[in-house]
Amino acid sequence: QKEVEQDPGPLSVPEGAIVSLNCTYSNSAFQYFMWYRQYSRKGPELLMYTYSSGNKEDGRFTAQVDKSSKYISLFIRDSQPSDSATYLCAMKRLPNDYKLSFGAGTTVTVRA
Amino acid sequence: DTEVTQTPKHLVMGMTNKKSLKCEQHMGHRAMYWYKQKAKKPPELMFVYSYEKLSINESVPSRFSPECPNSSLLNLHLHALQPEDSALYLCASSQGAGGWNEQFFGPGTRLTVL
Repeated sequence: QKEVEQDPGPLSVPEGAIVSLNCTYSNSAFQYFMWYRQYSRKGPELLMYTYSSGNKEDGRFTAQVDKSSKYISLFIRDSQPSDSATYLCAMKRLPNDYKLSFGAGTTVTVRA
Repeated sequence: DTEVTQTPKHLVMGMTNKKSLKCEQHMGHRAMYWYKQKAKKPPELMFVYSYEKLSINESVPSRFSPECPNSSLLNLHLHALQPEDSALYLCASSQGAGGWNEQFFGPGTRLTVL
């Protein structure tokens, strides 16, 4: 069993829809959670990071963590074609850990 | 400057060639990373340098040789690669010990081994 599970999709939604992405994990030592966005043939860029259980908002993006269920989510509101990318969840045990455990990535297409 | 740069963007090499990938950052970060990413897969960590010393080697074959000449530069020397080594090679940097260690990625070098 992988430490981090993420449905690779692909996910296709119409413009303006809410995109819902999620990851589950098995290692309860993970305390820090990140979402990266990766456009085709580019490096990943950090979208959001969080530590606490609960919600964190940044513009159209909301990251949600439920440590009791070992489940994290990313919601994208009012999705745009420019949101079409692969979204990777990542997590680590300690804030200064060098090694991240990545999910497989979910490919999202937002149709105009 | 919040950018990690990588050169070259693309590289095609034969199995007997020797080549190098270069990565540079000017954010004052003291940790630098090499990742390998195959198509439709997440990045796989290869090496981590912390304060210019090799801190993590994820059992990478010796045909990949990292080098950190100074705190801003990271090289990956390639020799006698195999076709299955074709991938996107990503460099990243982060603050270093004691911080959040948020990793900033470069755009990658797309390597093809013939």
